[in-house]
Amino acid sequence: EDQVTQSPEALRLQEGESSSLNCSYTVSGLRGLFWYRQDPGKGPEFLFTLYSAGEEKEKERLKATLTKKESFLHITAPKPEDSATYLCAAEHLNQAGTALIFGKGTTLSVSS
Amino acid sequence: KAGVTQTPRYLIKTRGQQVTLSCSPISGHRSVSWYQQTPGQGLQFLFEYFSETQRNKGNFPGRFSGRQFSNSRSEMNVSTLELGDSALYLCASSLVIQGSSGANVLTFGAGSRLTVL
Repeated sequence: EDQVTQSPEALRLQEGESSSLNCSYTVSGLRGLFWYRQDPGKGPEFLFTLYSAGEEKEKERLKATLTKKESFLHITAPKPEDSATYLCAAEHLNQAGTALIFGKGTTLSVSS
Repeated sequence: KAGVTQTPRYLIKTRGQQVTLSCSPISGHRSVSWYQQTPGQGLQFLFEYFSETQRNKGNFPGRFSGRQFSNSRSEMNVSTLELGDSALYLCASSLVIQGSSGANVLTFGAGSRLTVL
């Protein structure tokens, strides 16, 4: 069964304290691995798409990496405005149309 | 450029009633997907529509249905509401490039929060 698991469920950091969020996936053929950010009361906001093992993408303090079984979202020197829930999702290679399998998310709190 | 618009934003229903939620996608986006988000299960795929046809369906009972109109706007309906249907219902649209095998990026709306009493 295709599955996406994120850890930890919650993470508290001090401003400037770097860390990583983990996303493990078991998908028999990966078309794409997505990272989204969700703020309270809002819909998820797209961050990155990764397609193949070894690929990396960066945006400001965030860097996403992909292996054959996991993806990591590295947060360097976080600021309080980085506080949000980060969602990982996988899309099956042979999926007709678009149907993402989401993890349950990691809720990040950054305090100053 | 306007984003994905969902209406209503909040609604309260009682068990046994039915509800219709509406979604207006980004202009030019022909694919519309619906997801249910709950604290226990996270985001779960309901269905996807493309050019007025349901292209994909998640593992939800037949009480959940949807449709897409010729202008790409979409509605989803839940009949005979149960307490467990209380959730945030998210609509997302994407620009599908014909012939492309790449993954399609979804742009989500703010959601419709349904409370069933």
